[in-house]
Amino acid sequence: DIVMTQSPLSLPVTLGQPASISCRSSQSLVYSDGNTYLNWFHQRPGQSPRRLIYKVSNRDSGVPDRFSGSGSGTDFTLKISRVEAEDVGVYYCMQGTQWPLTFGGGTKVEIK
Amino acid sequence: EVQLVESGGGLVKPGGSLRLSCAAFGFNFNAYTMNWVRQTPGKGLEWVSSASSSGSQINYADSVKGRFTISRDNAKNSLYLQMNSLRVEDTALYYCARCVSGCGTGFDPWGQGTQVTVSS
Repeated sequence: DIVMTQSPLSLPVTLGQPASISCRSSQSLVYSDGNTYLNWFHQRPGQSPRRLIYKVSNRDSGVPDRFSGSGSGTDFTLKISRVEAEDVGVYYCMQGTQWPLTFGGGTKVEIK
Repeated sequence: EVQLVESGGGLVKPGGSLRLSCAAFGFNFNAYTMNWVRQTPGKGLEWVSSASSSGSQINYADSVKGRFTISRDNAKNSLYLQMNSLRVEDTALYYCARCVSGCGTGFDPWGQGTQVTVSS
């Protein structure tokens, strides 16, 4: 199975400041079709996860442009350019390149 | 509105059984691969099982293989998970989730979840 490792575990941030979350996979996420199936999800307290970004850098409809994804191979990053109060919660990366689909352990973003 | 609604969770003793259901609304259910994903405080999110749009292709996580059975009824826009030989470690919030355009791009939407607790 592909192991997804996120860091940090917890990320206290000041409103208006940037935040960055790292996600590493135990093997390359480049699929035979040339795509890299690395996705990001956000789970607000008491809510279900919601997909934010798919295939490394594609934002879902309605996701603010302060969110951006980047990376390649085994190293990926989710960045929030200016954190807002609604951004709190847990962020998960997930690989869709190989079954079983696997998630990172999550990064909890909270406001300082 | 695209929506998934799970039901059927509860408290069960180790070795017992439960059947979860997921009702789908607002989209062409029989066009999508559907999944069960579970969440625990300790292990985070874990994909459990998937069923292709026709139900002909089915996958299971090794942790549930041989004990859980996924099925779907496209006429009823419903997904099911029959869970047998339940273990304490199966305790989790179980979500129903739709693959978006192929499961490689993840799941959207997710239901609100149904809690399964396995305890003596």
